[in-house]
Amino acid sequence: DAGVTQSPTHLIKTRGQQVTLRCSPKSGHDTVSWYQQALGQGPQFIFQYYEEEERQRGNFPDRFSGHQFPNYSSELNVNALLLGDSALYLCASSLAYLDNNEKLFFGSGTQLSVL
Amino acid sequence: GNSVTQMEGPVTLSEEAFLTINCTYTATGYPSLFWYVQYPGEGLQLLLKATKADDKGSNKGFEATYRKETTSFHLEKGSVQVSDSAVYFCALKGTGRRALTFGSGTRLQVQP
Repeated sequence: DAGVTQSPTHLIKTRGQQVTLRCSPKSGHDTVSWYQQALGQGPQFIFQYYEEEERQRGNFPDRFSGHQFPNYSSELNVNALLLGDSALYLCASSLAYLDNNEKLFFGSGTQLSVL
Repeated sequence: GNSVTQMEGPVTLSEEAFLTINCTYTATGYPSLFWYVQYPGEGLQLLLKATKADDKGSNKGFEATYRKETTSFHLEKGSVQVSDSAVYFCALKGTGRRALTFGSGTRLQVQP
């Protein structure tokens, strides 16, 4: 049973560029959440997708956008990259109606470096 | 808004020592509380959780009790092992919210 998989594992971009990160949820899960984890900090919630719609959003600018596909996989897009966007981006999946959506399974993350 | 404060690390202990990592929170209503662990090179894993006051979450020898009167959820283990070396995150999920709010993490180093 595959867990949450994210790609790529590492990425280097320059300021102003755009990036797309991908996530495949754990088998059977229908909800995907994205978190940003800066070095030495705890993860911060970006947004959550369920039924292909953004259900809740954290305090992130519109440069951060996402998408969920019919197979429940998800993408995170970041436009006009800033140096401060350098971080580990974590994807977490869950099942909407199990444990009140509280049992999250995290991927290993994509390490984004913006130069 | 919701927030979580946990003790700064690193916490360095010898094998078989007693562990406490302090966590306090600010939230309205009745949040659910969690401890997640992040081993080197791996994603976060749920260690334990508690969903209401006075609940005790436990797993792999770790315990934490939801104390509403002190807004705390301290993590404890009676005898740590080298394999427990990791970063531990306290987190909460507010009532009606979909997001987890994490603390900044506490690195635990256990020496043989």
